[in-house]
Amino acid sequence: DQQVKQNSPSLSVQEGRISILNCDYTNSMFDYFLWYKKYPAEGPTFLISISSIKDKNEDGRFTVFLNKSAKHLSLHIVPSQPGDSAVYFCAARRDYGGSQGNLIFGKGTKLSVKP
Amino acid sequence: DSGVTQTPKHLITATGQRVTLRCSPRSGDLSVYWYQQSLDQGLQFLIQYYNGEERAKGNILERFSAQQFPDLHSELNLSSLELGDSALYFCASSAGPGRGGQETQYFGPGTRLLVL
Repeated sequence: DQQVKQNSPSLSVQEGRISILNCDYTNSMFDYFLWYKKYPAEGPTFLISISSIKDKNEDGRFTVFLNKSAKHLSLHIVPSQPGDSAVYFCAARRDYGGSQGNLIFGKGTKLSVKP
Repeated sequence: DSGVTQTPKHLITATGQRVTLRCSPRSGDLSVYWYQQSLDQGLQFLIQYYNGEERAKGNILERFSAQQFPDLHSELNLSSLELGDSALYFCASSAGPGRGGQETQYFGPGTRLLVL
């Protein structure tokens, strides 16, 4: 049973436009959400995160929105650049009362930004 | 460069064999996490160590084991290997035990294991 779902395996956008990557989750105990970017032959790179007590977090061109009632989060990239082309993973962490920190990942969305 | 190092980068072995994957966390990080990424799966959490002690266990097979040494590097041991164990194995590290706050996990480049 997948607790973190990224239903779009791929997304293609034009350079300069907005990229919107979506993620749904099922476990209401998740307290922290993260987005990672992964290039081929490299490990995932942390991009941006959001605590469950917030609904928006912004860092430069990247903004993450959290809708707790819908159990949905999204990553917006504006403007998109060809260098953003990568696989984006949504991840969630459950609050176990302070003793664990493992992440639960979605299967990823491959973003292609065309010049 | 995340500061997390993993060796070897690639590993090819036969079924039934045993291998050891090594991870060195970022300087100062006390937690090490191991994840497996198979072809059709996302990253699956295997196990977490914090300051030398096992902290959390995920979908780790009994044939797999790990440890974290006093210098904080970690090893993941995979034994009685099967074809299905072929995957990318990532190590990540974080400063603390992973609770609360904005404790980010930083990933290494991974070890690609191929079992023939």
